[in-house]
Amino acid sequence: QQQVKQSPQSLIVQKGGISIINCAYENTAFDYFPWYQQFPGKGPALLIAIRPDVSEKKEGRFTISFNKSAKQFSLHIMDSQPGDSATYFCAASKEGFQKLVFGTGTRLLVSP
Amino acid sequence: DAGVTQSPTHLIKTRGQQVTLRCSPKSGHDTVSWYQQALGQGPQFIFQYYEEEERQRGNFPDRFSGHQFPNYSSELNVNALWLGDSALYLCASAEGNYGYTFGSGTRLTVV
Repeated sequence: QQQVKQSPQSLIVQKGGISIINCAYENTAFDYFPWYQQFPGKGPALLIAIRPDVSEKKEGRFTISFNKSAKQFSLHIMDSQPGDSATYFCAASKEGFQKLVFGTGTRLLVSP
Repeated sequence: DAGVTQSPTHLIKTRGQQVTLRCSPKSGHDTVSWYQQALGQGPQFIFQYYEEEERQRGNFPDRFSGHQFPNYSSELNVNALWLGDSALYLCASAEGNYGYTFGSGTRLTVV
């Protein structure tokens, strides 16, 4: 019940295209859903996060879509750029517990 | 703002040895968590410290232990190292319940 399943494992998108990464969770007690971006040799960096009381959150080129009934959430990267090439992790946590449960990651490559 | 600082950045140890990793949280952050990230995997929660107490622990054996100091900095200790402990060890700090900031990690190689 603590798992967060992430897909696809890897993704190749052309410059200017839309990158879409999906995650699904089982524990309905989760109430915080962040996305992290990780470059080689670096720690994960918080990209954008959403709470279950909204269905969508947008920050610049990054958008989270959240479907509470389906227990799914996704990251959309609009106008993808080569600099977006990195590994992306979805995660989830429960209020007051703070432990982040991470997905397995998606390696994104944006071709020039 | 220096963010989360971890030391050392890389470390090589022999099986059976013990290791101590260090973390200085971001200024103003009082909560520190440790994660283990194996190659090609997502980070796995080890434990979390708040007010110098271990508040929550993940599914890791007692060989993994930690400490938080009054200045909120933290240490992760691993005893009786084995090959499977080779990983990137990440420290993350936060103030309150959300918005964790991660350090760049310590790459531990056990040979």
